[in-house]
Amino acid sequence: KNQVEQSPQSLIILEGKNCTLQCNYTVSPFSNLRWYKQDTGRGPVSLTIMTFSENTKSNGRYTATLDADTKQSSLHITASQLSDSASYICVVSSGGYNKLIFGAGTRLAVHP
Amino acid sequence: NAGVTQTPKFQVLKTGQSMTLQCAQDMNHEYMSWYRQDPGMGLRLIHYSVGAGITDQGEVPNGYNVSRSTTEDFPLRLLSAAPSQTSVYFCATLAGHAGELFFGEGSRLTVL
Repeated sequence: KNQVEQSPQSLIILEGKNCTLQCNYTVSPFSNLRWYKQDTGRGPVSLTIMTFSENTKSNGRYTATLDADTKQSSLHITASQLSDSASYICVVSSGGYNKLIFGAGTRLAVHP
Repeated sequence: NAGVTQTPKFQVLKTGQSMTLQCAQDMNHEYMSWYRQDPGMGLRLIHYSVGAGITDQGEVPNGYNVSRSTTEDFPLRLLSAAPSQTSVYFCATLAGHAGELFFGEGSRLTVL
């Protein structure tokens, strides 16, 4: 069964610190992997999209990595800010419009 | 350029009532979809459309109906609301198979 598992479920860090969120998937075939940020009460917003051939992609202070061999991805947040408090969702596509598998998300709280 | 617009943002229904969640986009994307988001779970696909006049079922279609008469609009109808349909609903458009997924702001539905 195609699955996307994220860890940890929730995380609290202090402002200015770095953190790394994990995403493991068992999706086949693999087309691409996406990371989204969802603020409370809002819709998810895209951070990165990575295909099989890409192993690192950055978007400002956000850096995503992909290891297609081990089927793992991580999202690293550098020098966290209060505005980084949100849920981060990992999505894996196996191709096709209806083939997006969503993880349950990691809820990040950044405290001053 | 509003992107994806959903209405209403909040709605309370009684069991057995019907209603329509509206979704409109101004990006001229062929693909539109409806997801529901429940606590502790990833977003689940309800219905999707790859163009005007074409709709198909996703992972959890029971109790919902859709139509796509124009490229811009993709309404979701709840035929006879049940408490199990209490959820947050998101409309999304996709710019091609590997493109970015754009979400609306969500519609929070409570069925009593």
